Amino acid sequence: EVHLVESGGAVVLPGGFLRLSCAASGFTFHDYSMHWVRQTPGKGLEWVSVISWDGRNTYYADSVKGRFTISRDNTKNSLFLQMNSLRTEDTAFYYCAKGSSGTITSPEYWGQGTLVTVSS
Amino acid sequence: QTVVTQEPSFSVSPGGTVTLTCGLSSGSVSTSYYPSWYQQTPGQAPRTLIYSTNTRSSGVPDRFSGSILGNKAALTITGAQADDECDYYCVLYMGSGIRVFGGGTKLTVL
Repeated sequence: EVHLVESGGAVVLPGGFLRLSCAASGFTFHDYSMHWVRQTPGKGLEWVSVISWDGRNTYYADSVKGRFTISRDNTKNSLFLQMNSLRTEDTAFYYCAKGSSGTITSPEYWGQGTLVTVSS
Repeated sequence: QTVVTQEPSFSVSPGGTVTLTCGLSSGSVSTSYYPSWYQQTPGQAPRTLIYSTNTRSSGVPDRFSGSILGNKAALTITGAQADDECDYYCVLYMGSGIRVFGGGTKLTVL
């Protein structure tokens, strides 16, 4: 069974930084792309970033490009999101998700999320 | 910038059939957008129903199906049940690695 557990969420000041982690189990981690998706409480889903199975290809939403960096460690079945220059509008639950099968993947299996609050 | 559009709300009678759509503010959705569909109840993580237009995720009942209808992606729910009442989101692949979610549809079963 696919199991994803996010961690690292916290309260941080505007302009600050945070690193989220996602521990994966129940599937062959290095075979799949991985996504980050966020959701402001009470609002809709926003796709944030994706990383290819081998970590060579990364893509970002315009809203986070240049501030966030996605990475993975296939030896530790872990996914990361380094978030710099945080803004109040980055406040959200952050979900990691295993990519679906195929060349173009969508988030398929989801963790329970970790809350990031950016506030002074 | 192209926006992914969904009906803000929809209602269906118990046992009935409903089709939710996912479109573009400019242009038509095709299989090349790899539309996916998600279900979310308040306070819970999303659950994947459909990916790549019409592939059901593991464990999803065949009451849920995905397709392209006209110029939009569609999610059809047959035999609607009370616990289908929640929010539904679609996501489209926009090219160059970018995905964009729609604003979601709140489905009421009554």
